[in-house]
Amino acid sequence: SQTIHQWPATLVQPVGSPLSLECTVEGTSNPNLYWYRQAAGRGLQLLFYSVGIGQISSEVPQNLSASRPQDRQFILSSKKLLLSDSGFYLCASGQTQETQYFGPGTRLLVL
Amino acid sequence: AQKITQTQPGMFVQEKEAVTLDCTYDTSDPSYGLFWYKQPSSGEMIFLIYQGSYDQQNATEGRYSLNFQKARKSANLVISASQLGDSAMYFCAMREGIVSGGYNKLIFGAGTRLAVHP
Repeated sequence: SQTIHQWPATLVQPVGSPLSLECTVEGTSNPNLYWYRQAAGRGLQLLFYSVGIGQISSEVPQNLSASRPQDRQFILSSKKLLLSDSGFYLCASGQTQETQYFGPGTRLLVL
Repeated sequence: AQKITQTQPGMFVQEKEAVTLDCTYDTSDPSYGLFWYKQPSSGEMIFLIYQGSYDQQNATEGRYSLNFQKARKSANLVISASQLGDSAMYFCAMREGIVSGGYNKLIFGAGTRLAVHP
């Protein structure tokens, strides 16, 4: 079975600072990878997905970007954080249409 | 219109009893998939059960079963013999269509908070 790691677990950043969140997957190869954001008390919103190295699709226009430099690594970035970027960021992995597993998440607070 | 509707913001159940969490969905695509996830206070999303639109039988996974009523567009989660550890947020999600490459663009509901009382 696959294991999804996310780093860091918690992050407090000032407005205007850069961001880099990392997601790595073990136990599978060539997974489809996803970044979701969850605002407090809400459901998840899909931000980006990737079906392979260097292949990124964006779902929501925003000041965030994603990259997939390796098969099992997915990175979420921003050049300048906004207050509205605060939230819980979850990485997910799946190889079939019946599966999508999530990592432990990163709590981001922008002050 | 909401694609996924979970009308119960909060539910209470006595330990060892069964509970049903409601989920209705809206899609015109004949091919879709429905997922249920559990999110405890730690935040991690735990996959519980999956139902495909063409599956003839309701999905079951241990104490979890999905009451799939296609004509009514509902996919309710039934948890039998509730345990204290079942206290968490529960999210229903849907994938519309079948896409080559197997990737899932999931649309989530707002969730239902379940509290299990001893």
